[in-house]
Amino acid sequence: GAVVSQHPSRVICKSGTSVKIECRSLDFQATTMFWYRQFPKKSLMLMATSNEGSKATYEQGVEKDKFLINHASLTLSTLTVTSAHPEDSSFYICSARAQGRTPSSLRTDTQYFGPGTRLTVL
Amino acid sequence: KQEVTQIPAALSVPEGENLVLNCSFTDSAIYNLQWFRQDPGKGLTSLLLIQSSQREQTSGRLNASLDKSSGRSTLYIAASQPGDSATYLCAVYGNNRLAFGKGNQVVVIP
Repeated sequence: GAVVSQHPSRVICKSGTSVKIECRSLDFQATTMFWYRQFPKKSLMLMATSNEGSKATYEQGVEKDKFLINHASLTLSTLTVTSAHPEDSSFYICSARAQGRTPSSLRTDTQYFGPGTRLTVL
Repeated sequence: KQEVTQIPAALSVPEGENLVLNCSFTDSAIYNLQWFRQDPGKGLTSLLLIQSSQREQTSGRLNASLDKSSGRSTLYIAASQPGDSATYLCAVYGNNRLAFGKGNQVVVIP
C-alpha cells in the first residue's frame, strides 16, 4: 500500500489565490521530505528540501516567498503556492525519506513518493 | 551538476517483445540508482533500486544493471505486456538529492 499520501490529488483555483498541498508519511518518520514539480513530458525538478523543525532549502531559481514550505512534524510537510498564477499550473510530487525506525517493509534512507497533486490555476 | 539522460525518449513494441531502456549519468559518484514507473497523471512507483556497490537487481520480469564507472544503467523488461505501457524514469541519488531523467515512454501494442 501507499506509504506517502498527498492531499488534495487535484485542485483548481483562481489566479491570485493561495493553495496548500499536504504530504504525509504513513507508518514512518521522515525528518526530510522533498518537493518536486513536473511539467508535461519533462523530468521531475527538485524544488526544495523540507527539514523537520527548520527552514527548507530551496533550489536555485525557486522563489521561497512564493512556494512556502512548512515541515511542522515528523510525518507532515506542506507546500503553499501563494498568489498562484497560470504558469504555476503543474504536477507537484512530494517524497519522504525513511529514516530512523521504519517498518521492515521499507528501506532506510530511501525516498518514497506521493501520488502527486495536479494544480490548475485559471 | 548531475545530468541524467534516457534513451530512447519513446518507443512502441509489440506484445511479447523484450524491452531495453537506457539511462546514462554524468557523475559516477552516486549512492544508488532507481528505476520508477509513472502512469499518466499519477505518481511514481519504485521498480528497482541498485546500490552503488551492486551490478544488478532483478524483480520478476524486470532486471536492471548498473555500470557506475561508465555512468550507465539498463532496464530490461522481458516478454512485454500491454500493462507495461507507461513512462519509466531513471533517477540517481548522490550529493543528497535525486536527479531524474526525462523518462522512456513505452507503449506495448497488443
